[in-house]
Amino acid sequence: AQSVTQPDIHITVSEGASLELRCNYSYGATPYLFWYVQSPGQGLQLLLKYFSGDTLVQGIKGFEAEFKRSQSSFNLRKPSVHWSDAAEYFCAVGAMGVASKIIFGSGTRLSIRP
Amino acid sequence: KAGVTQTPRYLIKTRGQQVTLSCSPISGHRSVSWYQQTPGQGLQFLFEYFSETQRNKGNFPGRFSGRQFSNSRSEMNVSTLELGDSALYLCASSSGLAGTYEQYFGPGTRLTVT
Repeated sequence: AQSVTQPDIHITVSEGASLELRCNYSYGATPYLFWYVQSPGQGLQLLLKYFSGDTLVQGIKGFEAEFKRSQSSFNLRKPSVHWSDAAEYFCAVGAMGVASKIIFGSGTRLSIRP
Repeated sequence: KAGVTQTPRYLIKTRGQQVTLSCSPISGHRSVSWYQQTPGQGLQFLFEYFSETQRNKGNFPGRFSGRQFSNSRSEMNVSTLELGDSALYLCASSSGLAGTYEQYFGPGTRLTVT
């Protein structure tokens, strides 16, 4: 069975600073990895996903994530955050197969300091 | 394309009652998943339906049930409501199984049990 850990519950960064949100997963085979963002009062929106190929994945809104198999990590990065990036970010791991399901991490709340 | 819609957006019910929530997926999507989101437990998977069949189920009691219709619309039902069922219920649709395909989330139904 797969599992995912987001070790940071809440992170505050200054506007214009760089950002890295951590995600560690556990899965025996090649995982399907996702990052979603949830703004207050809204549903989740996909930022990016990794299935195979290039381990550096580009997403929407200037986000990117790097898959590191040796570290079982899929950290999300952004070189310069904007006030509108304040939201909750969820890492998720899925798997192939009819009985597969997607497991979400507990989320990291991002606050932006003016 | 129209996004995922959920009705109603807000509900207030009394302990012991039952409730039915509805989800209309994006046109052409055959998979619908349901999640419960609470501050304490985070985002928890309830079940996934694909082509009218339940493909996966999370660790919730039998009071939580769902179904999917031939047009892919889905409903979830919670019987004998408990205070702890107060949560945001999110529905997500995808073109394939949730473990491997991007999910599109609705805005959620906020259920309050008093």
